[in-house]
Amino acid sequence: DIQMTQSPSSLSASLGDRVTITCRASQVISNSLAWYQQKPGKAPTLLIYEASRLESGVPSRFTGSGSGADYTLTINSLQPEDFATYYCQQFYSTPRTFGQGTKVEVK
Amino acid sequence: QVQLQESGPGLVKPSETLSLTCTVSGDSVSRGSYFWSWIRQSPGKGLDWIGYVYYTGSTSYAPSLKSRVTISLDTSKNQFSLKLRSVTAADTAVYYCAGETSVTTIFDSWGRGTLVTVSS
Repeated sequence: DIQMTQSPSSLSASLGDRVTITCRASQVISNSLAWYQQKPGKAPTLLIYEASRLESGVPSRFTGSGSGADYTLTINSLQPEDFATYYCQQFYSTPRTFGQGTKVEVK
Repeated sequence: QVQLQESGPGLVKPSETLSLTCTVSGDSVSRGSYFWSWIRQSPGKGLDWIGYVYYTGSTSYAPSLKSRVTISLDTSKNQFSLKLRSVTAADTAVYYCAGETSVTTIFDSWGRGTLVTVSS
């Protein structure tokens, strides 16, 4: 199985901040990476796929980057609706695996 | 994207079988557009992939659950289902059905999730 390690597990930030979340796979996954946002009591929603492609309807302040085994999700100018938990997920192989999540909280 | 809705008992006794159904609208489970998937989330925890079924009937399961899980299609009802046998309290979770696109292999469609509690 490919292990996905996210950091940090939580962070505190203010409105307008730039936030960066990293995700490291236990092997090269060749940009086969997606990012999801999850709010309490809701299903996750897709933000970015193939490491850097923005899902339709997702604000452009969300950007994804990276290659090989290391990937980053950046939120530019944090908005009130961005306080949530974020997960990375690899789709390079089965079993599909997720990072443990990063909770973005209000500072 | 498609619309997905989970249904099934919210309470299951230990050692029994958890059975959930996902009703699909907006596409046919008989087409090859999606891998029809189940994902679960234990209370306060992260997301765990359970497995999927493809329109051909082929399946893939998480190794940790493979001996206890079956995911299958019901094409007549445009549904797919999850059966998890011999459950314990560790199987208490919110269970999501999801569609993984067959082209980009991402989860672009999710049900709202259903909480299943394992307790006597």
